[in-house]
Amino acid sequence: GESVGLHLPTLSVQEGDNSIINCAYSNSASDYFIWYKQESGKGPQFIIDIRSNMDKRQGQRVTVLLNKTVKHLSLQIAATQPGDSAVYFCAERFGSARQLTFGSGTQLTVLP
Amino acid sequence: EPEVTQTPSHQVTQMGQEVILRCVPISNHLYFYWYRQILGQKVEFLVSFYNNEISEKSEIFDDQFSVERPDGSNFTLKIRSTKLEDSAMYFCASSRTGRTGELFFGEGSRLTVL
Repeated sequence: GESVGLHLPTLSVQEGDNSIINCAYSNSASDYFIWYKQESGKGPQFIIDIRSNMDKRQGQRVTVLLNKTVKHLSLQIAATQPGDSAVYFCAERFGSARQLTFGSGTQLTVLP
Repeated sequence: EPEVTQTPSHQVTQMGQEVILRCVPISNHLYFYWYRQILGQKVEFLVSFYNNEISEKSEIFDDQFSVERPDGSNFTLKIRSTKLEDSAMYFCASSRTGRTGELFFGEGSRLTVL
């Protein structure tokens, strides 16, 4: 039958705790990965990126880890805040392609 | 802070009608994109545009769709003869370079086809 929408994985964390959001990417040839945040009613917002020649990259309160062996990407958010509540998407790209292929997203809810 | 703006925020149309969605990318950006998101689903790539021509398009972007940069500021997506399954949120995005994955997305135009 026709799908009415994907059931998003959800993650609930207490304010102040660290969050880890995981993503399994599909294309072993992908060499560039990006995390986006999408708040309700808004467009995706860039968080951090990482190229395949790196295993880890840190930003402000966020860290992305890349495990190419198992095609796994994770986003760690330190000291999670209420404003971090959103859907988080990983995206991948390979070679000189412009298009980003987005994953299915994880809903992060920060509890007070 | 510069932002991508999109109009309309919501459009309702009858099946078979033509729709034009408009976007004003960030002014010093050179690469422009349309993505769509069916309710509750993934964000899907439609097309990228650079130097006044399409640089990439997905399988979704068939002859029903077209893009245009009619002047120095607007970037439009035209959907001819809309179908029920075209109902989605359409996001415009822009980036300074083609190498970056840091796309700046607008807030989207919700299209409802009845």
